[in-house]
Amino acid sequence: AQKITQTQPGMFVQEKEAVTLDCTYDTSDPSYGLFWYKQPSSGEMIFLIYQGSYDQQNATEGRYSLNFQKARKSANLVISASQLGDSAMYFCAMREAGTNAGKSTFGDGTTLTVKP
Amino acid sequence: NAGVMQNPRHLVRRRGQEARLRCSPMKGHSHVYWYRQLPEEGLKFMVYLQKENIIDESGMPKERFSAEFPKEGPSILRIQQVVRGDSAAYFCASSPPTGVWGTDTQYFGPGTRLTVL
Repeated sequence: AQKITQTQPGMFVQEKEAVTLDCTYDTSDPSYGLFWYKQPSSGEMIFLIYQGSYDQQNATEGRYSLNFQKARKSANLVISASQLGDSAMYFCAMREAGTNAGKSTFGDGTTLTVKP
Repeated sequence: NAGVMQNPRHLVRRRGQEARLRCSPMKGHSHVYWYRQLPEEGLKFMVYLQKENIIDESGMPKERFSAEFPKEGPSILRIQQVVRGDSAAYFCASSPPTGVWGTDTQYFGPGTRLTVL
């Protein structure tokens, strides 16, 4: 069964510094996708970045990068040069390509607070 | 290009009433997913639909909950005889036709916050 674990309920970072949010996953499907979403206090879910299981390179999107370590089954999100607007809840999610294709499994989230 | 639309954004119901939540996917997206988020928790999958078909409803409660995605119009999540435990945020997501690996990005709507009094 697919499972996502985010072990950091809350994280603090100083403005302009980098921060890493941890995510580990478990799946028996060789084909899967890993996603990070941001949920600010307003409640919407904002897609940030995607990594496919067969991608050779780590994904990057602006200040977001995904540190993908397949053997360790980890997909940590790195936010560089943190901004006050980055304060939000961050969710790691996974979708498998096999019989579970369609559904995303989400972790419990990490609350990030950026300090001025 | 409009994103995923959900309405209403907030819905208040008394115990025993029915709640109807609507979702219009992004243009060009034919796959719709519903998720529920309880306070302080992550999203939990409920159901996956394509036009006129339920593909996976493994996350739907056995009773009182139903979903549809008709040929014309939005997808509807219906909750009959609501109870206090149904209070949550309900998110709809859409994705384009699934590629070979079935891992297309799901884009989420703003959610409907259901409060049951």
